[in-house]
Amino acid sequence: QKEVEQNSGPLSVPEGAIASLNCTYSDRVSQSFFWYRQYSGKSPELIMSIYSNGDKEDGRFTAQLNKASQYVSLLIRDSQPSDSATYLCAVFNSGAGSYQLTFGKGTKLSVIP
Amino acid sequence: GAGVSQSPRYKVAKRGQDVALRCDPISGHVSLFWYQQALGQGPEFLTYFQNEAQLDKSGLPSDRFFAERPEGSVSTLKIQRTQQEDSAVYLCASSLRLAGLGTDTQYFGPGTRLTVL
Repeated sequence: QKEVEQNSGPLSVPEGAIASLNCTYSDRVSQSFFWYRQYSGKSPELIMSIYSNGDKEDGRFTAQLNKASQYVSLLIRDSQPSDSATYLCAVFNSGAGSYQLTFGKGTKLSVIP
Repeated sequence: GAGVSQSPRYKVAKRGQDVALRCDPISGHVSLFWYQQALGQGPEFLTYFQNEAQLDKSGLPSDRFFAERPEGSVSTLKIQRTQQEDSAVYLCASSLRLAGLGTDTQYFGPGTRLTVL
């Protein structure tokens, strides 16, 4: 059973602060890791992908991956009210004929003006 | 260009009815996925198509669920004899290349919200 765990939140941060979102996964052979943002009533949209250990930065977003600890995180710098959404961590593993993207339950982020 | 589209956007069914949900992926995308998202949960994988071939249907919850993509483009998810526990948002996603690469972005459609009374 592949599991992806996230704190459901809500996580509240003031505008301009750094929001830190965390995710752990159970399947050691997981290959690819994604962060999706989902606004209420909308579909998920990809904001970051990461495939190797270390940090990956894209604008205000930084994804961090530690495969030894089976841990992936997302940092949002200079948080804006428009960042308020649910952030879904997703893990991909195509082993043994599986093509599943396994999602966590999501962390709800609220950025307070 | 157009994104992934799904229809209908909302569907209300009486328990026991059959429903069919349609997905139009982005033109030229090889991979197509169906997910089920219950309220307050992340999307859960249902099935995967590579062109017209259904390569993974391990997430379909029962034999009442059936999906097809006969010409490798449009896909239909059919649920027979709907039950209340089938109430959820059904999301379709497509990606450009083979899913086995694991690196392609999956683009999601707006979803179909199914309510079974």
